[in-house]
Amino acid sequence: KAGVTQTPRYLIKTRGQQVTLSCSPISGHRSVSWYQQTPGQGLQFLFEYFSETQRNKGNFPGRFSGRQFSNSRSEMNVSTLELGDSALYLCASSLVGSSYNEQFFGPGTRLTVL
Amino acid sequence: GIQVEQSPPDLILQEGANSTLRCNFSDSVNNLQWFHQNPWGQLINLFYIPSGTKQNGRLSATTVATERYSLLYISSSQTTDSGVYFCAVAHNQGGKLIFGQGTELSVKP
Repeated sequence: KAGVTQTPRYLIKTRGQQVTLSCSPISGHRSVSWYQQTPGQGLQFLFEYFSETQRNKGNFPGRFSGRQFSNSRSEMNVSTLELGDSALYLCASSLVGSSYNEQFFGPGTRLTVL
Repeated sequence: GIQVEQSPPDLILQEGANSTLRCNFSDSVNNLQWFHQNPWGQLINLFYIPSGTKQNGRLSATTVATERYSLLYISSSQTTDSGVYFCAVAHNQGGKLIFGQGTELSVKP
């Protein structure tokens, strides 16, 4: 089974621009979660989508948004980029519907904001 | 919210040595995972272990849920074991994992 895939792997943007990142979960997984990793804050939860609905949300400003499509693929969008948005963005997928909810991560998208 | 603390923050070992990494958490959990982050940033699943003991080769893990801690054991360490090890927990159904700050392991030849 193919793992979680994320595109693009690397991205350079300038302040004020917006960016869209994509995540394809493992086949059959219906939950997709997004995380931001920075040296200062570590790994922080952004949001989770299940069946095209946002189920959980972390403490990030409204500039960070996401969506999930009917095939479970997910995108996250960051508008009006700030220097502090430079980070590794990780996506994870998991099966839902049982007590077993192990998450599997993709390789990440490294975003640099200049 | 739930707090996750990992110790030690840094660890330097000679190849062949054994080590124990600890993860303390402040509330009951129904998901606990250990990850190894490779040099390219990807989180590699080591164990899904909300309770009990598991072993996979030179690695093993134990979670004592009633006492709110988990241990990751690495035996006969190799240079390829170097990197950052994360513990992450969730205390309800769903995908919100709370991560510890990690233990950075360096194995010297």
